[in-house]
Amino acid sequence: GENVEQHPSTLSVQEGDSAVIKCTYSDSASNYFPWYKQELGKRPQLIIDIRSNVGEKKDQRIAVTLNKTAKHFSLHITETQPEDSAVYFCAANGRPGTASKLTFGTGTRLQVTL
Amino acid sequence: GAVVSQHPSRVICKSGTSVKIECRSLDFQATTMFWYRQFPKKSLMLMATSNEGSKATYEQGVEKDKFLINHASLTLSTLTVTSAHPEDSSFYICSARSSGRAGDTQYFGPGTRLTVL
Repeated sequence: GENVEQHPSTLSVQEGDSAVIKCTYSDSASNYFPWYKQELGKRPQLIIDIRSNVGEKKDQRIAVTLNKTAKHFSLHITETQPEDSAVYFCAANGRPGTASKLTFGTGTRLQVTL
Repeated sequence: GAVVSQHPSRVICKSGTSVKIECRSLDFQATTMFWYRQFPKKSLMLMATSNEGSKATYEQGVEKDKFLINHASLTLSTLTVTSAHPEDSSFYICSARSSGRAGDTQYFGPGTRLTVL
């Protein structure tokens, strides 16, 4: 099955700086890579996703890059704000279509300090 | 956007009792729903995949007789924790995948915090 590794486990940045979280996956059949943000005690919220037919996607301060050859993808947050503080999870779908199921990384706790 | 509800949000029960958790997709039809368990400060661990009209598919190590899943309609899946014990205490989260939307996007419910005394 799919195996997703995520680094770092914790990340502290100053407000206004950029944050980068990296993930690797093992199954070359994976073609969908979402990123979720989870605040304490809340549900994971989808913040951005990317499919294997593109290499980069951007949404305001958030961007995701995908390198299919190396099997890794990254989340980039620019101009970080205190409300960006949360746990971020990457995931990969393992296989496309109706049989797909997400395998999650271990999470990155992002702390944005003033 | 897609909305998934989950009920109850919190439940406290005595050891040996059964607890049912409901997961509903409110504004879309979900042919597939997923049940996850999350321990404090840990990642989401998939327990089972729930398919409308068929038996659930359980992940390795998950007891199907202990965690009963029913997906009776395109908008509702239920997870019943049978004969609950303190080690079953956890945060249970469902997610739903829309049959009408692109690809594999999953939307999560708000979760149910189960405490077994």
